[in-house]
Amino acid sequence: DTGVSQDPRHKITKRGQNVTFRCDPISEHNRLYWYRQTLGQGPEFLTYFQNEAQLEKSRLLSDRFSAERPKGSFSTLEIQRTEQGDSAMYLCASSSLPRRVDTEAFFGQGTRLTVV
Amino acid sequence: DQQVKQNSPSLSVQEGRISILNCDYTNSMFDYFLWYKKYPAEGPTFLISISSIKDKNEDGRFTVFLNKSAKHLSLHIVPSQPGDSAVYFCAARFTGRRALTFGSGTRLQVQP
Repeated sequence: DTGVSQDPRHKITKRGQNVTFRCDPISEHNRLYWYRQTLGQGPEFLTYFQNEAQLEKSRLLSDRFSAERPKGSFSTLEIQRTEQGDSAMYLCASSSLPRRVDTEAFFGQGTRLTVV
Repeated sequence: DQQVKQNSPSLSVQEGRISILNCDYTNSMFDYFLWYKKYPAEGPTFLISISSIKDKNEDGRFTVFLNKSAKHLSLHIVPSQPGDSAVYFCAARFTGRRALTFGSGTRLQVQP
């Protein structure tokens, strides 16, 4: 399978708990993105990595949110002290092979977070 | 404030006819525009894009038109097929940035 893989697909957590999501991009894609989508809305940009460097961050990414891509391959998104407003679909996407023509972002199926 | 707007939440067309999906944007600094298609339980899939230096881009049954003076773009699907039934998102990007700003989507239903 060469698509973007996200784990878990679904997560239910109690308010105040921490959660961590994982994203495995398309092999050798050097760009990785996180988006959040709530019901009836389009995806909202959270952050962007090129290799291991986090180059763009949205103001939506509060201090409770942290993303990492330690070796420039998979990425994790952690939400600390979850709130009910964090309930959403968290989408990961990847793009571009190094030294090759740029590509548009390929999205994974997402992780649906429900905070109760 | 929504910088990319899709004012029609839904659209229904007959198979074989033209589907026209519309998108408006407010920030003239956007220089690259994209359309994504999303089926239920799947992530969005890239469909077609257009740079601000062009006013039209065509790929098979899909054509995107850009009117910069009106800050408006549209996606035309001709002929529409039942498999085109999905939610369509318009997105925009600034020069030198990778972040996409998405509209809220239009649900297209193509009736057989």
